[in-house]
Amino acid sequence: EDQVTQSPEALRLQEGESSSLNCSYTVSGLRGLFWYRQDPGKGPEFLFTLYSAGEEKEKERLKATLTKKESFLHITAPKPEDSATYLCAVQTLLYSGGGADGLTFGKGTHLIIQP
Amino acid sequence: DSGVTQTPKHLITATGQRVTLRCSPRSGDLSVYWYQQSLDQGLQFLIQYYNGEERAKGNILERFSAQQFPDLHSELNLSSLELGDSALYFCASSVIGGAWEQFFGPGTRLTVL
Repeated sequence: EDQVTQSPEALRLQEGESSSLNCSYTVSGLRGLFWYRQDPGKGPEFLFTLYSAGEEKEKERLKATLTKKESFLHITAPKPEDSATYLCAVQTLLYSGGGADGLTFGKGTHLIIQP
Repeated sequence: DSGVTQTPKHLITATGQRVTLRCSPRSGDLSVYWYQQSLDQGLQFLIQYYNGEERAKGNILERFSAQQFPDLHSELNLSSLELGDSALYFCASSVIGGAWEQFFGPGTRLTVL
């Protein structure tokens, strides 16, 4: 069964204090790893897709990286508006539990950036 | 704004009832996905439709069903509702299936009393 574990569950940082969020995964064959941002009561907002180990993608203060076992979301000099829950999800190559194209999500990291 | 729309925003109903949630995908997207988000289970994939046909099932209960219409909008039908069905229901769409990014709608919050 595909599993996605995110850590830490919650993280409180000061404005400007850089850090990393972790997403470790166990899948039968990775097709893609996705990062989303979710604000309270809203739908997840797409950030990145990573397809193979060694791949990196950047957007403003966020940078996502991928290895064979985990992905990191690095946040550089965060601002209060970066406060949100960050979700990691995987899509696998093989039929697993009935969801050929469905995403398997982790529980998320709740990030708070204090001014 | 992702371009995916969902109605209604909120729905309050009683146990045993039946409700229908509606989703319009982004213009040009052929694939629609339904997800359920609850506090204890997180975001869980329910079902996927591609160009009008069911493509894949996830953790969808037998009491739940969905369809995608020729204009590509989709409906999720929930019947014999139980207290535990209270959750946020999200629709997402992508250009096609496969490892394309899925764009999520704003969700429907279902409360079963």
